[in-house]
Amino acid sequence: GESVGLHLPTLSVQEGDNSIINCAYSNSASDYFIWYKQESGKGPQFIIDIRSNMDKRQGQRVTVLLNKTVKHLSLQIAATQPGDSAVYFCADTSSGTYKYIFGTGTRLKVLA
Amino acid sequence: EAGVTQSPTHLIKTRGQQATLRCSPISGHTSVYWYQQALGLGLQFLLWYDEGEERNRGNFPPRFSGRQFPNYSSELNVNALELEDSALYLCASSLRGPKNIQYFGAGTRLSVL
Repeated sequence: GESVGLHLPTLSVQEGDNSIINCAYSNSASDYFIWYKQESGKGPQFIIDIRSNMDKRQGQRVTVLLNKTVKHLSLQIAATQPGDSAVYFCADTSSGTYKYIFGTGTRLKVLA
Repeated sequence: EAGVTQSPTHLIKTRGQQATLRCSPISGHTSVYWYQQALGLGLQFLLWYDEGEERNRGNFPPRFSGRQFPNYSSELNVNALELEDSALYLCASSLRGPKNIQYFGAGTRLSVL
């Protein structure tokens, strides 16, 4: 597996502000993307998904944007709350590989 | 409805021993996935089982193996444990095929001494 070191990128956001977490993927054939949230001591929790035939999808307080041209995915969290503090992972898969490739993760810290 | 359950929560072994980790998927899910998450690192794909068959595996040595039972539960076996096998092992389940949302269990923390 790919080793990325012990220090995750960290995003610190003031409570109530919007958060934007970015993710780059490498497989141009990827056609399904998911964002997960992982709190300390827990397994990843599904947040939102998007298929490659879309470039934007909205959920409750979250929006995922997909830019296939530059192979970039972002997760926007509106009105960030203390409970949003966690590590966020993106994952992509394709019909060819049939397995998920997870990004390295970004730690979101919400400041009171 | 129960989520994905994993047992044991924690497992302590010594080098050279074997470890067996168990996973029960969400009712109705036929696909089970195993991931390794070493401390501070991302999730590394280990194995995917569906309908009792191994469908894909990640870049791990053969001493990482598993199986899926007729009731869709799964076991992950790690033979000849090495210190670097210490990690959180996560199981996920989904409807058939990986292009469905994978729901994760809380994981088994394996410590190799």
